[in-house]
Amino acid sequence: DAKTTQPPSMDCAEGRAANLPCNHSTISGNEYVYWYRQIHSQGPQYIIHGLKNNETNEMASLIITEDRKSSTLILPHATLRDTAVYYCIVRALLYGGSQGNLIFGKGTKLSVKP
Amino acid sequence: GAVVSQHPSRVICKSGTSVKIECRSLDFQATTMFWYRQFPKQSLMLMATSNEGSKATYEQGVEKDKFLINHASLTLSTLTVTSAHPEDSSFYICSATETGRRYTFGSGTRLTVV
Repeated sequence: DAKTTQPPSMDCAEGRAANLPCNHSTISGNEYVYWYRQIHSQGPQYIIHGLKNNETNEMASLIITEDRKSSTLILPHATLRDTAVYYCIVRALLYGGSQGNLIFGKGTKLSVKP
Repeated sequence: GAVVSQHPSRVICKSGTSVKIECRSLDFQATTMFWYRQFPKQSLMLMATSNEGSKATYEQGVEKDKFLINHASLTLSTLTVTSAHPEDSSFYICSATETGRRYTFGSGTRLTVV
């Protein structure tokens, strides 16, 4: 699976949009971009994933560049509860049989401040 | 949505004893389950991958005789830390997937060996 690069930390004001970047310049054509977050002392929580089109759900939006070498996770109105470590992961989907694992990098520690 | 229940959430045990951690998929069949370990201020490190009815596949450096994994059904996997020592103290997290499209994580188990 391709490697990802994220800034180690970011700050965001409460109520403002949080834009978390991720570089994945070696991504392959069949690899998806996944975002998870981990609030302190909890298991990771799924946020969103996408292949090449932009995606939006109730939690966030995922913007993937046309060349797929980078993406941005957008939390439109950050709250204090969004303070967490955000992980960007790329991996291919495997169909049938056993499923591949998710490899976590160091992620971005997002601090939402009042 | 998919829910994974992990128990216990916290456990303290004496050095030399064994501890069992359970991971259950509540509303889906987990063809594959994963066990991670996370030390303070570090990212999740994959320990092993297990498929229902098969022997687990361990990552390099993880002792299979020390960390026993059983995935006897499509909804339950267990991790037993045998002869635990203080250096085994960590945050253990399980993950499960049915299709390989989305991975759901348990809430984690904080193990402290005294």
